[in-house]
Amino acid sequence: DAKTTQPPSMDCAEGRAANLPCNHSTISGNEYVYWYRQIHSQGPQYIIHGLKNNETNEMASLIITEDRKSSTLILPHATLRDTAVYYCIVRVPDNTDKLIFGTGTRLQVFP
Amino acid sequence: GAGVSQSPSNKVTEKGKDVELRCDPISGHTALYWYRQSLGQGLEFLIYFQGNSAPDKSGLPSDRFSAERTGGSVSTLTIQRTQQEDSAVYLCASSLSLKAFFGQGTRLTVV
Repeated sequence: DAKTTQPPSMDCAEGRAANLPCNHSTISGNEYVYWYRQIHSQGPQYIIHGLKNNETNEMASLIITEDRKSSTLILPHATLRDTAVYYCIVRVPDNTDKLIFGTGTRLQVFP
Repeated sequence: GAGVSQSPSNKVTEKGKDVELRCDPISGHTALYWYRQSLGQGLEFLIYFQGNSAPDKSGLPSDRFSAERTGGSVSTLTIQRTQQEDSAVYLCASSLSLKAFFGQGTRLTVV
């Protein structure tokens, strides 16, 4: 029972912005949107999270629509090292529920 | 330690043998997760420990799989009578609240 829908794959040219969409139309009021990524042969890595306001950190920006039914992860200047599978997850911001990963989006950054 | 540590990093075992995989979470993290990732596949949730609560074992694929978490810290995932389909990378993660941190995994090969 996936709570999120993501495209299976995307391409992006190096140096350009990568915009990864995620649909979460059934998100509830207390659930946050989290993004992780998994670079080949490594464990997943936390990127960013948000509730309703747009967020930015050193890795990425997160844009959440006003109705919170979708969001976009933005890598402003993609590099080859950003090639990875990106996972969008919705959950409450505590540890009362398990962390479930969907199938994610495989982002390929090309030279 | 600085991060989540898993051991061994690689394990080759004969079909039918039992194996134990170890996870040392980040000190103070109350939540601990185990996942399995078969080649080219997504992250499959196995089990989740949160503080002193009963673990969520809903992802364990069969009764050959079990896990313990002693003293709220170190966790061991045990697979009895291993089968070839158990071959995968087994990932452990720990979390205090918002972010989960993953180990590098144990690559299990059943021959």
